[in-house]
Amino acid sequence: LAKTTQPISMDSYEGQEVNITCSHNNIATNDYITWYQQFPSQGPRFIIQGYKTKVTNEVASLFIPADRKSSTLSLPRVSLSDTAVYYCLVGFQKLVFGTGTRLLVSP
Amino acid sequence: DGGITQSPKYLFRKEGQNVTLSCEQNLNHDAMYWYRQDPGQGLRLIYYSQIVNDFQKGDIAEGYSVSREKKESFPLTVTSAQKNPTAFYLCASRAGGTDYGYTFGSGTRLTVV
Repeated sequence: LAKTTQPISMDSYEGQEVNITCSHNNIATNDYITWYQQFPSQGPRFIIQGYKTKVTNEVASLFIPADRKSSTLSLPRVSLSDTAVYYCLVGFQKLVFGTGTRLLVSP
Repeated sequence: DGGITQSPKYLFRKEGQNVTLSCEQNLNHDAMYWYRQDPGQGLRLIYYSQIVNDFQKGDIAEGYSVSREKKESFPLTVTSAQKNPTAFYLCASRAGGTDYGYTFGSGTRLTVV
């Protein structure tokens, strides 16, 4: 299974754009890249998923370069409620979670 | 509304007792998963099932057992053989095929005293 590496923590302020980059050098041809958000004592919530190039939905954008060895989750204009742990996952039928990136958004 | 339900939310058990955590989904998803999360850590896969009457061990299956007799249900039993059972347990489901998005339940916090 492809292993992912992402920063342990990030700090930001309200209204700023936050970009969290994840590396996955051993990604397989069948693998999709998926990002989840988790608040304390809750189950992770699906944010966005992509295979290549750029994907955008109502809450985030996902940028994937041509070699697919990394990906960047972009959160536009974060608010205090975006403080959470963000997980980058690569896989097909079985997802392996790392420790994620703890994002702290301050006023 | 469709979703995935875990019960109970909090569970206390005495050491040496087996305990079963419930997970039910009405999303008509084929695949179901159990994860364990310890404080400050990521999720670790315990067991998963791609279809009814079939399941596979994840990375930390020792001390746990599961069954998948119905598509909607995937209960997890934490046995007395599990050395450190106190944790937050999360169940998830996935539609299968080319849908790679997981839906998670709200979790069960198990405390063994």
